[in-house]
Amino acid sequence: GIQVEQSPPDLILQEGANSTLRCNFSDSVNNLQWFHQNPWGQLINLFYIPSGTKQNGRLSATTVATERYSLLYISSSQTTDSGVYFCAVLYNFNKFYFGSGTKLNVKP
Amino acid sequence: GAGVSQSPSNKVTEKGKDVELRCDPISGHTALYWYRQSLGQGLEFLIYFQGNSAPDKSGLPSDRFSAERTGGSVSTLTIQRTQQEDSAVYLCASSLVPAGGPYSYNEQFFGPGTRLTVL
Repeated sequence: GIQVEQSPPDLILQEGANSTLRCNFSDSVNNLQWFHQNPWGQLINLFYIPSGTKQNGRLSATTVATERYSLLYISSSQTTDSGVYFCAVLYNFNKFYFGSGTKLNVKP
Repeated sequence: GAGVSQSPSNKVTEKGKDVELRCDPISGHTALYWYRQSLGQGLEFLIYFQGNSAPDKSGLPSDRFSAERTGGSVSTLTIQRTQQEDSAVYLCASSLVPAGGPYSYNEQFFGPGTRLTVL
């Protein structure tokens, strides 16, 4: 299999602060995705980003496939950003492996 | 159009019983995924369908678990002889294009999940 590690495991921010979440993976992957799970359990796909950089509003992500990591940037954080952020990689085109997540709490 | 739907939303069963969980993907989505999330835990990938075929079933936790997809649409996840450790939220997702391949964008849309409790 493949190891997927996320850091930090927990993060507390004051509203308006910026943060960077990291995902390291141990082997070459076919794709990488970032997900957000809100406090009510609903999962939302944030980015599909096997390589390069993408931006969507206050969120952006960068994957450096050759160095086996991806970063998720959250700028000007809001309380609605709270929840758990997961990265997942597709390995051998048929199996997803998830990191253990970063639990984010944005305080007003 | 409608999103991904799952039924039932909650299922309480006794140890040893069989259960069947259903997932209706977004119409036209070719790929369908099953995941499991135990209480307070992360996400565990179970199986992925491209059309009606699952390339790899090794993510299913044991031979008590099986999944099928028919007509490129509805999928069912069946757990036989349920055990207490099967208790979890079972999540289904679908995407327009396959999980791998030269696509610049491939978003998975998740259903609300089925909460399974095995007593």
